Amino acid sequence: KAGVTQTPRYLIKTRGQQVTLSCSPISGHRSVSWYQQTPGQGLQFLFEYFSETQRNKGNFPGRFSGRQFSNSRSEMNVSTLELGDSALYLCASSFDRGAYNEQFFGPGTRLTVL
Amino acid sequence: DQQVKQNSPSLSVQEGRISILNCDYTNSMFDYFLWYKKYPAEGPTFLISISSIKDKNEDGRFTVFLNKSAKHLSLHIVPSQPGDSAVYFCAATDLMAAGNKLTFGGGTRVLVKP
Repeated sequence: KAGVTQTPRYLIKTRGQQVTLSCSPISGHRSVSWYQQTPGQGLQFLFEYFSETQRNKGNFPGRFSGRQFSNSRSEMNVSTLELGDSALYLCASSFDRGAYNEQFFGPGTRLTVL
Repeated sequence: DQQVKQNSPSLSVQEGRISILNCDYTNSMFDYFLWYKKYPAEGPTFLISISSIKDKNEDGRFTVFLNKSAKHLSLHIVPSQPGDSAVYFCAATDLMAAGNKLTFGGGTRVLVKP
């Protein structure tokens, strides 16, 4: 079974631009969560989508948004990029909140904002 | 407000010895705890988990201990192997809450010396 894939793997943008990142979950998984990893803040939860609906949201500004398609693929968008948005963005998928709540992570997209 | 903390940013241990990683949490609603391992350029991979109704869970060389009264958990790796060199994240979740949100600690970088 193929794992979680994220595209692109690396991205360089300038301040003020917007960016869209993509995540394809493991086949059959309906929940997709997004996390931001930075050296200072660690891994922080952005939001989760389940059956095309946002089910949970972290404490990030409205510039961060996402969506999920009927095939469970998800995208996240960051508008008006700031230098502080430079981070590794990780996507994780799971079947649902099963007993072990195991989430499988993709390799991440490294975003650099100049 | 860091609800999950890993106070040791790094740990160095000799091959064959025990590695002990610690994690503290403040949110009493957390009832499920997980450890993830992360290599560079890869997403975190699930290692072991423990429910709040248990105080110990073992899986091969990995054992997680939970002390609910102290809001503290630890991961023991015995014996440590060079391939265990990675960053380890402690994570917690509230299974009764909606969605699939994991709250992560800042991570502990483990170096196992041959």
